[in-house]
Amino acid sequence: AQKITQTQPGMFVQEKEAVTLDCTYDTSDPSYGLFWYKQPSSGEMIFLIYQGSYDQQNATEGRYSLNFQKARKSANLVISASQLGDSAMYFCAMREVSGNTGKLIFGQGTTLQVKP
Amino acid sequence: ETGVTQTPRHLVMGMTNKKSLKCEQHLGHNAMYWYKQSAKKPLELMFVYNFKEQTENNSVPSRFSPECPNSSHLFLHLHTLQPEDSALYLCASSQVSGGGRSTDTQYFGPGTRLTVL
Repeated sequence: AQKITQTQPGMFVQEKEAVTLDCTYDTSDPSYGLFWYKQPSSGEMIFLIYQGSYDQQNATEGRYSLNFQKARKSANLVISASQLGDSAMYFCAMREVSGNTGKLIFGQGTTLQVKP
Repeated sequence: ETGVTQTPRHLVMGMTNKKSLKCEQHLGHNAMYWYKQSAKKPLELMFVYNFKEQTENNSVPSRFSPECPNSSHLFLHLHTLQPEDSALYLCASSQVSGGGRSTDTQYFGPGTRLTVL
């Protein structure tokens, strides 16, 4: 069964430093996508970054990068130069291609607090 | 309006009330989703609509009734809810590609925070 695990309920980081949020996944589908979303206290889920299972290079979007280690089934999010506005809950999610329903499976989330 | 909008943003209702949540997407997508987010739990997928047809019902109780009149609008009709149904209800949309692709990113609305008394 497909599964997403985020083992860090909460993380602290000093402003301007980098932080890594962990995500591991389990799937038997060879074709899948991995997503990271940010959820501020307002509630909206904001899409950050995507990594496809066949992508050769790690995805990057501005200060966000995804450390994709396929053999370990991990897709950690790296935020560089943290800002106070990065304080939020972060969710890792996976979509399998089989079935083609667009169904996303989410992890439990990690709360990140950026300290000034 | 851009992106995905949801109304109302907050809703308080009694267990005997009937109410509806509305979602509208302005992204030209062909698929829409309802998720439930309870405190300290991961997001749970409730319903999926592709091209206005329901393609997934994730064992949701019948007191939740979805409606998708067109590819831009999605409703969630609520009746005789229980206090444990109090949660944040999130709507999302995506462009589902033919042949199946993992890149179909879902974009979310701001959510409706529901409290059932």
